[in-house]
Order: sequence, then C-alpha cells, then structure tokens
Amino acid sequence: ILNVEQSPQSLHVQEGDSTNFTCSFPSSNFYALHWYRWETAKSPEALFVMTLNGDEKKKGRISATLNTKEGYSYLYIKGSQPEDSATYLCAFMRGETSGSRLTFGEGTQLTVNP
Amino acid sequence: DGGITQSPKYLFRKEGQNVTLSCEQNLNHDAMYWYRQDPGQGLRLIYYSQIVNDFQKGDIAEGYSVSREKKESFPLTVTSAQKNPTAFYLCASRGSGFFSEQYFGPGTRLTVT
Repeated sequence: ILNVEQSPQSLHVQEGDSTNFTCSFPSSNFYALHWYRWETAKSPEALFVMTLNGDEKKKGRISATLNTKEGYSYLYIKGSQPEDSATYLCAFMRGETSGSRLTFGEGTQLTVNP
Repeated sequence: DGGITQSPKYLFRKEGQNVTLSCEQNLNHDAMYWYRQDPGQGLRLIYYSQIVNDFQKGDIAEGYSVSREKKESFPLTVTSAQKNPTAFYLCASRGSGFFSEQYFGPGTRLTVT
C-alpha cells in the first residue's frame, strides 16, 4: 500500500488569512496527483489534476504546485473565506499497470472563522 | 442532471446479515470505484471496475463483493465476513482519459449492530 501523507491534519484560520498545506507521496512511478475539496454534507469535488513536475494550477483563490522529483504538492488558499472550510484531500496515481486507482491521504481539515 | 446516486443515505443492519449498497451513474463513465471512510482516516479503496464485467480488488477488499453487469451500476455487498462493516461508503466514477478526475456520490452511512 502506497503512503500518501498530508499535513497538517487540521487548521483553523481567520477570514482573510492565507494558508497552505502539504501532500507528500512516493516520488517513484509518478503518474498524477489529484486534489479534492470535501465540504460537510456534500460529495468530494475535484480541484486539480496535476501531472507534470513543476505544474502550477489555479482556480480562483486556490492554487497548487507539484514537485514530482521530491514527492510533494502544496495547496495554497489566498484570503481564506468561511466558505473555504472543508477537508482537502490529495490522491496519488501511480504509473503502472494497476489501472486508474488513486491512493488518498487522510486530508487536511480547514476551518475558516469569520 | 448527470451524476452519481447512492442509496440509501443511512442503512442499519444486524450483525451477520449481508447488505448491498447501491451506486448508479448516468455520466457514461467506464470506471467506477468503492471507497470506505472511517473516522480519522482517508478514503480507502475497496474495489474498482474499469469496464463492464470486470473488476479488481482494492486495498481492503476482504469481506466485500461487487458486480458490474451494467455500465451504469456498481453495487457493493458488505458480507457477514467483514469484521468492522460500520463506516461511511463512497462510490465514484471516472470518465475516459487517464488523467480524468473522479466524481463522487453522496455516500451511504452503514451502521451494523
């Protein structure tokens, strides 16, 4: 079983703060790295699918970077809002014949206080 | 509306009974997945299917079974052999293209007493 680690486990910030969290994954046989946002009482929704070393993706105030050589990805939220409160999951896809399966980290639970 | 439906939202069963969780999608996706979530843990893969009539075990398949007779449907049976069946179960699907994201259903919370 692959090891995908996310830190911190939880984070409380004030509205307007910028924040970031980390996803670490095996640096060998990399194929793709997914980020999902999971709000309470909703289904997880994809934020980014990242495939190339040095990739940077942005969606509104949320952005992500990828370093496949050292096996980490950062997710940044600029000017956090209460609606950003959610659990952020990263998931690693390995490049082999095991198919399209993802291995998820435990998530970072973000709470943004108004 | 296209999406994934899981029913029911909450399910209660007595220990020793098999129970089947439903997952249906109308996204025309080939690949479908079943995950389990326990408190303080990430999503763990139970089974996945990349095409009709084919499926593979994930990391925690023991005590579970699946079928994929139709493209739209991927039911999961939690058997009495599953030692800790109480959990939150999520179904997902993925479109064509190896880098496609996964789409998730709303989940079923199973409680076995």
